[in-house]
Amino acid sequence: QSVLTQPPSASGTPGQRVTISCSGSNSNIGSYTVNWYQQLPRTAPKLLIYISDQRPSGVPERFSGSKSGTSASLAISGLQSEDEADYYCAAWDDSLNAVVFGGGTKLTVL
Amino acid sequence: EVQLLESGGGLVQPGGSLRLSCAASGFTFSNNAMTWVRQAPGKGLEWVSGISESGRTTYYADSVKGRFTISRDNSKNTLFLQMNSLRAEDTALYYCAKRYGSIWGFDYWGQGTLVTVSS
Repeated sequence: QSVLTQPPSASGTPGQRVTISCSGSNSNIGSYTVNWYQQLPRTAPKLLIYISDQRPSGVPERFSGSKSGTSASLAISGLQSEDEADYYCAAWDDSLNAVVFGGGTKLTVL
Repeated sequence: EVQLLESGGGLVQPGGSLRLSCAASGFTFSNNAMTWVRQAPGKGLEWVSGISESGRTTYYADSVKGRFTISRDNSKNTLFLQMNSLRAEDTALYYCAKRYGSIWGFDYWGQGTLVTVSS
């Protein structure tokens, strides 16, 4: 059971907008920023969003992040087939004194 | 180009030990905190441990506390993870990753080294 809760799956058709949620608590998302990772099949994770809503250089503007209270969201607009991957949220947790990850959301592009 | 190359994985019996290494290049290693993250077969990501730039401060997940030790050699640009009292549930692909500035986000990852704990 992960400390951060994500839906196990999400799907959309090319061109659609998809949102993935991440729910936590006051000790993690409620107090710290959220980072999102994309993991394509059989590859290492890639930092997609940091400090809740910032994109590293090279990440398309189609990817955006937001945070409100103890929840965060990743939105992908103009969905493309290459976006099919697993997506993970993560944050620092000061009760555990550790980084905590969500269980991951498998995004399928139909 | 930033590169992180893990090594040291393999098959070990329950109760055994392994030492993982992560050779870093392409950035100033001593200026960056580092971390280990693992992924069991078919499962999600699990943060394992982190270490400050100097090595003086370390952090551990409860699942490995008291069994794993993270360390670094800044003169050799290398990160380590000493794993003792290994259990079947420690079986995973172990990634080392570079912390992105002062946030607990990780901007560069290695390709991982596989640890299998089995008799």
